[in-house]
Amino acid sequence: ETGVTQSPTHLIKTRGQQVTLRCSSQSGHNTVSWYQQALGQGPQFIFQYYREEENGRGNFPPRFSGLQFPNYSSELNVNALELDDSALYLCASSLERGGEKKQYFGPGTRLTVT
Amino acid sequence: TQLLEQSPQFLSIQEGENLTVYCNSSSVFSSLQWYRQEPGEGPVLLVTVVTGGEVKKLKRLTFQFGDARKDSSLHITAAQPGDTGLYLCAGWNRDDKIIFGKGTRLHILP
Repeated sequence: ETGVTQSPTHLIKTRGQQVTLRCSSQSGHNTVSWYQQALGQGPQFIFQYYREEENGRGNFPPRFSGLQFPNYSSELNVNALELDDSALYLCASSLERGGEKKQYFGPGTRLTVT
Repeated sequence: TQLLEQSPQFLSIQEGENLTVYCNSSSVFSSLQWYRQEPGEGPVLLVTVVTGGEVKKLKRLTFQFGDARKDSSLHITAAQPGDTGLYLCAGWNRDDKIIFGKGTRLHILP
């Protein structure tokens, strides 16, 4: 139990649609990161938000966007869904303590695009 | 492009045996982390190694960071069915970005 929750657990969408995934961070963590984990792969970094601003982005197109709210909850939005967007989407809230970066992952949202 | 290669991809062994899994790269990382992920859950951090040559122990798990900070290994002694899962290594680079390997899927047979 990491204290990070995600919703929904599972989602099925059609190609071309838009989707919003939600994450509630662990209390006191002001940084949240989003990852895409395709089947049989490790998580791929999408972007990170710190105090409501994006402060790092991986190799994902602009149709992947996000928001972080004052209560540190966050959203991942994906527009114009493609079949290859089918994956487990993970959020992780983090805290840097004593130089060690500790990320606490949620259970993920499994998105299927048909 | 920085990559972390994990080997083996899959490993199935009997309870009580020892095993080592590897995480290799041609790039230097400022720190390296090992996670375990179980079905339906997110990865859980096991350890962070920062210094080249560093060795950390977590009960029956021993983690080592290579001297050049390009590679790492995870050794499990007397594996138990509860060790079953996907083991991921992840490196933090100089730009403060994290890169994950594809993982080693470990299955311990009772």
